[in-house]
Amino acid sequence: GENVEQHPSTLSVQEGDSAVIKCTYSDSASNYFPWYKQELGKGPQLIIDIRSNVGEKKDQRIAVTLNKTAKHFSLHITETQPEDSAVYFCAASKGASYDKVIFGPGTSLSVIP
Amino acid sequence: NAGVMQNPRHLVRRRGQEARLRCSPMKGHSHVYWYRQLPEEGLKFMVYLQKENIIDESGMPKERFSAEFPKEGPSILRIQQVVRGDSAAYFCASSPGGAGGATGYGYTFGSGTRLTVV
Repeated sequence: GENVEQHPSTLSVQEGDSAVIKCTYSDSASNYFPWYKQELGKGPQLIIDIRSNVGEKKDQRIAVTLNKTAKHFSLHITETQPEDSAVYFCAASKGASYDKVIFGPGTSLSVIP
Repeated sequence: NAGVMQNPRHLVRRRGQEARLRCSPMKGHSHVYWYRQLPEEGLKFMVYLQKENIIDESGMPKERFSAEFPKEGPSILRIQQVVRGDSAAYFCASSPGGAGGATGYGYTFGSGTRLTVV
């Protein structure tokens, strides 16, 4: 089955700096890659997603890139703010219509004011 | 428009008791997924259901665990004869369609049920 790896497991950045989280996936049939943010005591929240027919997608301070050949995808957060502090999960889903999302192990991001 | 509703938020059970976790999907969503999250760990897939059907239960332990999504009412994740290792946060997510394929959908998660087995 699909396996998603994520690095780093923890990340500390100064407020205003950029943060980058990288993921790899194992199944070349995967074609949908969402990212979730989980704040303490809450459920994960979808923040951005990308499909395999697109190499890059941007939404304000957040951008995702996808390299299907290398099976890598990344989340970039620019101009980080303290409220960006949370656990971020990358995920992948395969090509079948009735498929579920497999999550990476998560990255705990701390933005230091 | 209420989101995904999970209850209870916190559940304490003694070893050997049964735990029932409920999930009401978002309005218009017919696909429900259950995930388990151990402390400081990621989300592990358990089961994927549509109304009255189990689509994929490959992540659910064969014994003591069961799930249903009846025609009427919420989805239920049932854990019989709980053990300490079942202590975790259980999250339910819903979507209007499956997550895969060219028109796959992202999930909306509930706030989770935190199960503690004492």
